[in-house]
Amino acid sequence: EPEVTQTPSHQVTQMGQEVILRCVPISNHLYFYWYRQILGQKVEFLVSFYNNEISEKSEIFDDQFSVERPDGSNFTLKIRSTKLEDSAMYFCASTTNGPNEKLFFGSGTQLSVL
Amino acid sequence: GQQVMQIPQYQHVQEGEDFTTYCNSSTTLSNIQWYKQRPGGHPVFLIQLVKSGEVKKQKRLTFQFGEAKKNSSLHITATQTTDVGTYFCAGRWNYGQNFVFGPGTRLSVLP
Repeated sequence: EPEVTQTPSHQVTQMGQEVILRCVPISNHLYFYWYRQILGQKVEFLVSFYNNEISEKSEIFDDQFSVERPDGSNFTLKIRSTKLEDSAMYFCASTTNGPNEKLFFGSGTQLSVL
Repeated sequence: GQQVMQIPQYQHVQEGEDFTTYCNSSTTLSNIQWYKQRPGGHPVFLIQLVKSGEVKKQKRLTFQFGEAKKNSSLHITATQTTDVGTYFCAGRWNYGQNFVFGPGTRLSVLP
């Protein structure tokens, strides 16, 4: 089955530093998402992206966050100035035709902010 | 904001016992999805329910959507150690809205 791939699998950074998390969605998918999961807690929606623009974002997705699709395959999440509370597993996901479809999740990037 | 609740938070069962997790919303859902996350893994889609009173089965798993579309359940018959993981429901209230995940039920199966 096609997979969503994420890199790196682990990222350690100092508070205040910028990080970029990378994702390659499934090739024929059109909708892309970022979710995060703090250890042992629920999966929280951050942002959805379609047709090169944000279609929906949550309250968590403040000005410190941005997303980009710099080329035809990558989908990135940038955190401009990381905080301790940004430590979490970040999952990228994609769907074929939008939010009515099942989400295909990547394996995640574990972000640790020190 | 709108949210879905799940109970129980944790469930420990002996292998072979049945297991049920419940998902509830205070307002009517348009549809609901269920995901399974193995320890250390990522959520994997199990099923989507759309119609009032809908029941779907996947081998030992039975999914139900309530008549009022405010609750849903996942029932596993005769659990196996491979069923270990966290089961999340994800609800949506309006078409086009992104799904909101519940807090999950963590299932442990003792051999």
